[in-house]
Amino acid sequence: DSGVTQTPKHLITATGQRVTLRCSPRSGDLSVYWYQQSLDQGLQFLIQYYNGEERAKGNILERFSAQQFPDLHSELNLSSLELGDSALYFCASSAKAGTNTGELFFGEGSRLTVL
Amino acid sequence: GQSLEQPSEVTAVEGAIVQINCTYQTSGFYGLSWYQQHDGGAPTFLSYNALDGLEETGRFSSFLSRSDSYGYLLLQELQMKDSASYFCAEVTGGFKTIFGAGTRLFVKA
Repeated sequence: DSGVTQTPKHLITATGQRVTLRCSPRSGDLSVYWYQQSLDQGLQFLIQYYNGEERAKGNILERFSAQQFPDLHSELNLSSLELGDSALYFCASSAKAGTNTGELFFGEGSRLTVL
Repeated sequence: GQSLEQPSEVTAVEGAIVQINCTYQTSGFYGLSWYQQHDGGAPTFLSYNALDGLEETGRFSSFLSRSDSYGYLLLQELQMKDSASYFCAEVTGGFKTIFGAGTRLFVKA
């Protein structure tokens, strides 16, 4: 158990819909990362937050948005869903303040299926 | 830009040693991490190299050469349970971590 919690574990929805994925980082971790992993693909970096502020952006579509709340949990919002958005979405956390061991702690992922 | 290259697939036999190479091209490079991911599971951290040289953790070792923008993961005494995907990942400024496409390792009996 990494200590990172993601909900829901599975989600099935239709094209055009909107969903919200939630992530609670490990206790004390200030950074939250979101990654997308399509079938048999690598991990595509979407976005990173640090202590409530957006820190870095990757290949995140305009239809997607995220935020990190004061209690450090994060939500990833996916809207106008398309079939190609079907993927496993991982949240990871890192960096108790002042440390960098290069280690990200991943949640178990949210598997999104768009029909 | 940022990109990492690693072989897509490697096959080895139980008990053998296998090396998975990774080359990277980036600005703002801090270090190279390695992760293991079993099918359907979450990536789990294996090792991190910020300085040149070899880091050893049990059966797994990782190497970095900053001058060559190159690293590798060495797996010794392979076991069937080591069959998984292995990702190298760059850690850059601000703790941004970018992953390679992954290497699928098949361990045969």
